[in-house]
Amino acid sequence: GESVGLHLPTLSVQEGDNSIINCAYSNSASDYFIWYKQESGKGPQFIIDIRSNMDKRQGQRVTVLLNKTVKHLSLQIAATQPGDSAVYFCAESGQNNNDMRFGAGTRLTVKP
Amino acid sequence: DAGVIQSPRHEVTEMGQEVTLRCKPISGHNSLFWYRQTMMRGLELLIYFNNNVPIDDSGMPEDRFSAKMPNASFSTLKIQPSEPRDSAVYFCASSPVLQMNTEAFFGQGTRLTVV
Repeated sequence: GESVGLHLPTLSVQEGDNSIINCAYSNSASDYFIWYKQESGKGPQFIIDIRSNMDKRQGQRVTVLLNKTVKHLSLQIAATQPGDSAVYFCAESGQNNNDMRFGAGTRLTVKP
Repeated sequence: DAGVIQSPRHEVTEMGQEVTLRCKPISGHNSLFWYRQTMMRGLELLIYFNNNVPIDDSGMPEDRFSAKMPNASFSTLKIQPSEPRDSAVYFCASSPVLQMNTEAFFGQGTRLTVV
């Protein structure tokens, strides 16, 4: 069936560097994409979202890029901090659809 | 608002016993989701409700799993009988908008261990 998946299961970066976390999706009907951050022992927490009519969206220190041609989504974190260490999930859903499906997750570790 | 509230936070039960997980969504939210998280399968959507009505339960693994939402402020996920392979963290999430996609707000989860 259609699914959301991740290229890299783990990512280790130096504090202050930029991080890029990637996600591939297979459902061309996906209309809405979200990045979540999950810290140990907690539920996923919303970071940033993007709709399919956009290619890029920026938040505070985070940018999400959407390439619909190759069905690829990425999360860029600028000046990564130790507090950014967590598992990051991409999630997608279809148009007018609350059926939100998650990818496998990428563990980001920030080295001091 | 206190956010999505789940109880219990931890549950240890013996195989064959009934387990009931509880969720209180954020007041005013129209949609409620139940997810299961394991190392092997990640975050799986089990079922979701819109305005207290189950919309899609295709993610519910078997008939041993059932979910209800008797009113806008309460939902339960029941496993009967429970099995060791049901051990996982179960998350409840809610979102405020019915038709337009928006982010879901997650509870802290219930860690279920079936021995």
